[in-house]
Amino acid sequence: QSVLTQPPSVSAAPGQKVTISCSGSSSNIGNNYVSWYQQLPGTAPKLLIYENNKRPSGIPDRFSGSKSGTSATLGITGLQTGDEADYYCATWDSSLSAVVFGGGTKLTVL
Amino acid sequence: EVQLLESGGGLVQPGGSLRLSCAASGFTFSNYAMNWVRQAPGKGLEWVSGTGGSGAGTHYADSVKGRFTISRDNSKNTLYLQMNSLRAEDTAVYYCAKVANSGYYEVLDYWGQGTLVTVSS
Repeated sequence: QSVLTQPPSVSAAPGQKVTISCSGSSSNIGNNYVSWYQQLPGTAPKLLIYENNKRPSGIPDRFSGSKSGTSATLGITGLQTGDEADYYCATWDSSLSAVVFGGGTKLTVL
Repeated sequence: EVQLLESGGGLVQPGGSLRLSCAASGFTFSNYAMNWVRQAPGKGLEWVSGTGGSGAGTHYADSVKGRFTISRDNSKNTLYLQMNSLRAEDTAVYYCAKVANSGYYEVLDYWGQGTLVTVSS
């Protein structure tokens, strides 16, 4: 059971937009930054978003992040088949003194 | 170019020990915190442990506390994870990951390719 809750799967058609939610509590998302990772099949995770809404260099602006209260959201616009992957949120949990990940969301581009 | 290369994985019996290594290059290793993150077969990511650039300030997931020890040798640009009293549920691919400039442990900007640890009799 993950500390952060994500939907197991989401799907949308190519070119459309999708959002992935990540729900936590005041000890984690509520008082700390959120990062998002993309993991393509058979590869290591890749940082997509950090500090709630910042993109590392090289990450297209089709990917966006936001946070409100104890929840965070990853948005992906202009979906491409290459976006099919597992997506994870992560943050620091001040009560656990640990990094916590969400359970992951599998994105299918139909 | 930043590179992280894990080694040391393999098959070990329950109750056994294993030491993972992560050789880093392409950045000033001692300036950055480092983490270990694992992924059981077909499962999600699980943070295991993290350490500051100097090796001080170590943190562990409750699931490994008291059994795993993270350390680093900055003279060798290498991160380690000593794993003792291994259990079947420790079976996973273990990734080492570099913490970004911000210093926030959840911001991991570079990852290794992972090394598989299998705990089984």
